[in-house]
Amino acid sequence: ELKVEQNPLFLSMQEGKNYTIYCNYSTTSDRLYWYRQDPGKSLESLFVLLSNGAVKQEGRLMASLDTKARLSTLHITAAVHDLSATYFCAVVKETSGSRLTFGEGTQLTVNP
Amino acid sequence: SAVISQKPSRDICQRGTSLTIQCQVDSQVTMMFWYRQQPGQSLTLIATANQGSEATYESGFVIDKFPISRPNLTFSTLTVSNMSPEDSSIYLCSLHTNYGYTFGSGTRLTVV
Repeated sequence: ELKVEQNPLFLSMQEGKNYTIYCNYSTTSDRLYWYRQDPGKSLESLFVLLSNGAVKQEGRLMASLDTKARLSTLHITAAVHDLSATYFCAVVKETSGSRLTFGEGTQLTVNP
Repeated sequence: SAVISQKPSRDICQRGTSLTIQCQVDSQVTMMFWYRQQPGQSLTLIATANQGSEATYESGFVIDKFPISRPNLTFSTLTVSNMSPEDSSIYLCSLHTNYGYTFGSGTRLTVV
């Protein structure tokens, strides 16, 4: 059974600081996604990572994938308050019928 | 990418009643999914709904409690039956296309 673990689950940081969210998964997978969820809202797609060594960046967020370690990271650079949200990683294995398995989520609060 | 219209956005229901949630897609898609997100938790897959076949339910979810319809490639419904306060959650539909996964805006259900 595919399991996905994120850490930390809660992250409070100051504006201007850097931090990394980690996402580990238990078995080989085909794709890894990062999503953002604002309170009371649906999920917004951030990144999809397909292959070992993949790195994608958008603004202050950068995601990477190490398939050998079964690890993805979401790095936050010089955080701003607008980045406050819950971030989820999710993994899909095509042989499981394209079903996404989500991590527990990381609730990020960026303080002025 | 496809756009999903999910209704209702929220509802407050009496225990013992049922609520049907609808998702309408602006294009034809084969695979649709229904998720539950309990307060402060991650997303848990309820079932996969493919047109022309019975929905496939995940462990812990049964058809009698969460009947799903998928009459065509643009529409699906999830019914939460005989509700109890433990069913209070956000319910989201999702679809899978070549562009990735898209999520509906969610239905926030409160059972009193």
